Amino acid sequence: GAGVSQTPSNKVTEKGKYVELRCDPISGHTALYWYRQSLGQGPEFLIYFQGTGAADDSGLPNDRFFAVRPEGSVSTLKIQRTERGDSAVYLCASSLAPSVTDTQYFGPGTRLTVL
Amino acid sequence: AQSVTQLGSHVSVSEGALVLLRCNYSSSVPPYLFWYVQYPNQGLQLLLKYTSAATLVKGINGFEAEFKKSETSFHLTKPSAHMSDAAEYFCAVSVSRGSTLGRLYFGRGTQLTVWP
Repeated sequence: GAGVSQTPSNKVTEKGKYVELRCDPISGHTALYWYRQSLGQGPEFLIYFQGTGAADDSGLPNDRFFAVRPEGSVSTLKIQRTERGDSAVYLCASSLAPSVTDTQYFGPGTRLTVL
Repeated sequence: AQSVTQLGSHVSVSEGALVLLRCNYSSSVPPYLFWYVQYPNQGLQLLLKYTSAATLVKGINGFEAEFKKSETSFHLTKPSAHMSDAAEYFCAVSVSRGSTLGRLYFGRGTQLTVWP
């Protein structure tokens, strides 16, 4: 079946611009996670959704970052007033339920470059 | 707090040789441990996971890892490397309480190169 998809695969923007990154999780998966992977680093947690609500947004670096999941399926990560330091690969993952034992399935990521 | 340290950002082996990728964790509560593999331009794929059952865990593609509580380690091994194993490998830890369920804490990754 279809896996987690993310669009766009690449996004180049200028400093100060607004961007939206989209994640389509596996159908039926209630848990959705966003991670950010900077060059030479492992993925770092940003935010977690259980259904429509953001259950944990403690990983968001500042208030320029925001994410929504209005219908409990597709999620959008929004970044305002982008900075060069926001350049990274943004990963989305979903799992059947929020559990340490349920496998998280990752999308291919969106590579964001801020010039 | 939870964290993972992967020793060696780059590992090179010859085809047919033993693969050993090292991972040490820190956790104040019993951990759940994972190894993910990332091929170029692909998403992270789960290789194997330890969820408090057997300490020796077998995964896909001939990989296995052993949970050693006394050493706080979860090293990944494969007896005989194949060219197709060349990729980046990430160790991760999660916990069942005191944190978002399922939230993964990743190491910095180890790039595995396999020489013919």
